Amino acid sequence: DVKVTQSSRYLVKRTGEKVFLECVQDMDHENMFWYRQDPGLGLRLIYFSYDVKMKEKGDIPEGYSVSREKKERFSLILESASTNQTSMYLCASSFSVDRASYEQYFGPGTRLTVT
Amino acid sequence: QKEVEQNSGPLSVPEGAIASLNCTYSDRGSQSFFWYRQYSGKSPELIMFIYSNGDKEDGRFTAQLNKASQYVSLLIRDSQPSDSATYLCAVFLYNFNKFYFGSGTKLNVKP
Repeated sequence: DVKVTQSSRYLVKRTGEKVFLECVQDMDHENMFWYRQDPGLGLRLIYFSYDVKMKEKGDIPEGYSVSREKKERFSLILESASTNQTSMYLCASSFSVDRASYEQYFGPGTRLTVT
Repeated sequence: QKEVEQNSGPLSVPEGAIASLNCTYSDRGSQSFFWYRQYSGKSPELIMFIYSNGDKEDGRFTAQLNKASQYVSLLIRDSQPSDSATYLCAVFLYNFNKFYFGSGTKLNVKP
């Protein structure tokens, strides 16, 4: 079974803090993704990575950065947390062949509250 | 126009009935299609994927793909209260190497 784990289920941070969200997958997947999910807005892609040290912006990258130093680990960084970044953050990974990406598997999510 | 459209629901069906969930997509270049189930407060869980026109069955679930009409549907036979969740449709566009998710349809199965 594919397993995607995230470092925290719940996190409370103060405005202006630097926040690190970690994601690890154990299936040797090439692709990894970070989404946020908000009521009424669905899943929105923040960043994705198709290889180590590679990253591409998603639909809402502003205020976020990412790091992928190892194939199994993909980190999301909030440089200076703001209240509008309060959300559920979901990490996902998928297998890839010739750039065709297969089904994504999601981690349990991190509910981040910024006060 | 959104790349993937779903009726937000809620769709209510009695226990034991067939639930039919629909999804339309805008890009004819879409090549892979996925259905996820998401319980409240939980992360999406993959139910099925389909790549070719026609039907694909897995237990009580059947995915149907019609590329000419640009829709994909999910049928749940013998619906159970435990099927009550939000169902997300997703498509993969090879040309853009991107996934697009619908906003989800909320299903309520009443005992």
